Amino acid sequence: QVQLRESGPRLVKPSETLSLTCTVSGGSVSSANYYWSWIRQPPGKTLEWIGYVFYTGSTNYNPSLKSRVIISRDTSRNQFSLRLNSVTAADTAVYYCARGVGIYDYFWGYWGQGTLVTVSS
Amino acid sequence: DIQMTQSPSTLSASVGDRVTITCRASQSISSWLAWYQQEPGKAPKLLIYDASRLQTGVPSRFSGSGSGTEFTLTISSLQPDDFATYYCQQYNTHQTFGQGTKVEVK
Repeated sequence: QVQLRESGPRLVKPSETLSLTCTVSGGSVSSANYYWSWIRQPPGKTLEWIGYVFYTGSTNYNPSLKSRVIISRDTSRNQFSLRLNSVTAADTAVYYCARGVGIYDYFWGYWGQGTLVTVSS
Repeated sequence: DIQMTQSPSTLSASVGDRVTITCRASQSISSWLAWYQQEPGKAPKLLIYDASRLQTGVPSRFSGSGSGTEFTLTISSLQPDDFATYYCQQYNTHQTFGQGTKVEVK
């Protein structure tokens, strides 16, 4: 059973970079044909897809965030990561990492528990 | 961008009720639509994908239908565990979620 767990700073200052890591167990970020994603949810609001990394390392991002986002994977640590720069209060949210249900799937069947990141000075 | 509009935003219902939630896309997304259930403080749970395919382990009282721009999620007989918020997600072009439908106790 695939399990994911987010980790990283819970408080980030405005204009700085938000960095989170998703540690995967029970599966591998280099397993062929799976997508690994970051999704966020501001308090009381809906979900927003941030982007994903494919097992090959190729990425795809939400156009509204593309200029500020980098998602990468570390196969040696079986992790994938999110970097979001120039953050503002609008980036305060619960951040989830997730994996597609099966190969080539863009819908998310495995989720981390989520981590609340607050942007504040 | 493809916009997803859910209705209603809130739905009041009782145990045993048949419940229907609608999701409309701003342009055709074929059948590239999923439904999720989210309880407070928890990660979303996948219920339906490809508009009508039931995710493994999800009770058969949940069903999905539709294609193109209009989709529905139906719960045939509402159970106590079903009081939650439901989201649709399109994955035809990038990804977008609807604003959510909260199913509350009547």
